[in-house]
Amino acid sequence: NAGVTQTPKFQVLKTGQSMTLQCAQDMNHEYMSWYRQDPGMGLRLIHYSVGAGITDQGEVPNGYNVSRSTTEDFPLRLLSAAPSQTSVYFCASSRMEGGGDYEQYFGPGTRLTVT
Amino acid sequence: RKEVEQDPGPFNVPEGATVAFNCTYSNSASQSFFWYRQDCRKEPKLLMSVYSSGNEDGRFTAQLNRASQYISLLIRDSKLSDSATYLCVVNVGTGGFKTIFGAGTRLFVKA
Repeated sequence: NAGVTQTPKFQVLKTGQSMTLQCAQDMNHEYMSWYRQDPGMGLRLIHYSVGAGITDQGEVPNGYNVSRSTTEDFPLRLLSAAPSQTSVYFCASSRMEGGGDYEQYFGPGTRLTVT
Repeated sequence: RKEVEQDPGPFNVPEGATVAFNCTYSNSASQSFFWYRQDCRKEPKLLMSVYSSGNEDGRFTAQLNRASQYISLLIRDSKLSDSATYLCVVNVGTGGFKTIFGAGTRLFVKA
């Protein structure tokens, strides 16, 4: 099992550019999520999905779009990059039947710089 | 006020020391609780779940006090390899997930 994979690992964008961060998991997890991590802020939830075709907003969704067409993939789109979106982005997945007491598995992260 | 608050750290301790991490949460609808460990420039990984009855895994002990909305992690006999950031994590509500991370407490264990 590859677990949770993310691409790219590093990315530099100019203000106003758009791009998609890829995330895939091979554990057949229903729940997938995107976080951003900034110094001193911990991880903040951007968007999450509880299954194919179902997505919802987290704590900081503005400027990001997601879709979930398959169980395996959960891409994050930056519509028009801004310097405030410079951060480390983590994708995570977990089981979810029976409640929320399951381990979240994280991808290795994407380090994004917007100039 | 942040929903999950942790000691700001960093903690600098010698090998063999006992170190305690504290965490408080504000949402009374919180359902499940965890400690994650994050190494520098790496992804977070689950260290242990936290239950009201307390749980222990080798040198690590976690406790939950629902009445006080307080979570703790105790590391005994610290090793150099324990150096990392420790994240307090809370799942709020039922059904859909709302996972809240604390900002983390950095631990440095020195020889």
